[in-house]
Amino acid sequence: DVKVTQSSRYLVKRTGEKVFLECVQDMDHENMFWYRQDPGLGLRLIYFSYDVKMKEKGDIPEGYSVSREKKERFSLILESASTNQTSMYLCASSQSGARNTEAFFGQGTRLTVV
Amino acid sequence: QKEVEQNSGPLSVPEGAIASLNCTYSDRGSQSFFWYRQYSGKSPELIMSIYSNGDKEDGRFTAQLNKASQYVSLLIRDSQPSDSATYLCAVPASGGSYIPTFGRGTSLIVHP
Repeated sequence: DVKVTQSSRYLVKRTGEKVFLECVQDMDHENMFWYRQDPGLGLRLIYFSYDVKMKEKGDIPEGYSVSREKKERFSLILESASTNQTSMYLCASSQSGARNTEAFFGQGTRLTVV
Repeated sequence: QKEVEQNSGPLSVPEGAIASLNCTYSDRGSQSFFWYRQYSGKSPELIMSIYSNGDKEDGRFTAQLNKASQYVSLLIRDSQPSDSATYLCAVPASGGSYIPTFGRGTSLIVHP
């Protein structure tokens, strides 16, 4: 059974803190993604990675960075958390290729910045 | 900018009816199309994939694809209250990156 696991289901952090969200997949997928989801705005891509140590900015990268030191792990870092980063964060992975590129999601991390 | 458009709804149908959800996309080169179901407070779950023009059936779900018109739809037969959720259409980009673009989702309510 395919699995994407996010380190926390709920997090509460203070403004200005550095926040780490971890994601691990066990499917040997090349691609990994971080999205945030807000009511009425849908899923917005923050960053993605197509290989170890490779990363590309998505639609809303400001205030975030990522790290992919191992194929199975993709971390999202909030350098200095702000209240407008309160959101649901979703990690996903997929394999490369023209077919079977469906993304599989982790359970999500609901982050509240106070 | 690749775009995937869905009617946000809510789409309200009675139990036992057919629910029809639609999606249009802008990337003519896209080869794969996916439907996800997302319950409130949960993460999206893949329920259907389709790659070729025509219909693909899986239980009560049927996905329909028309590449010439750039739309993909999802039919849910014999709708149940447990089908009440938001349905997301996803289209991976063509050209090598395969980054999925998601529609904003259609909220489906199945009332008893």
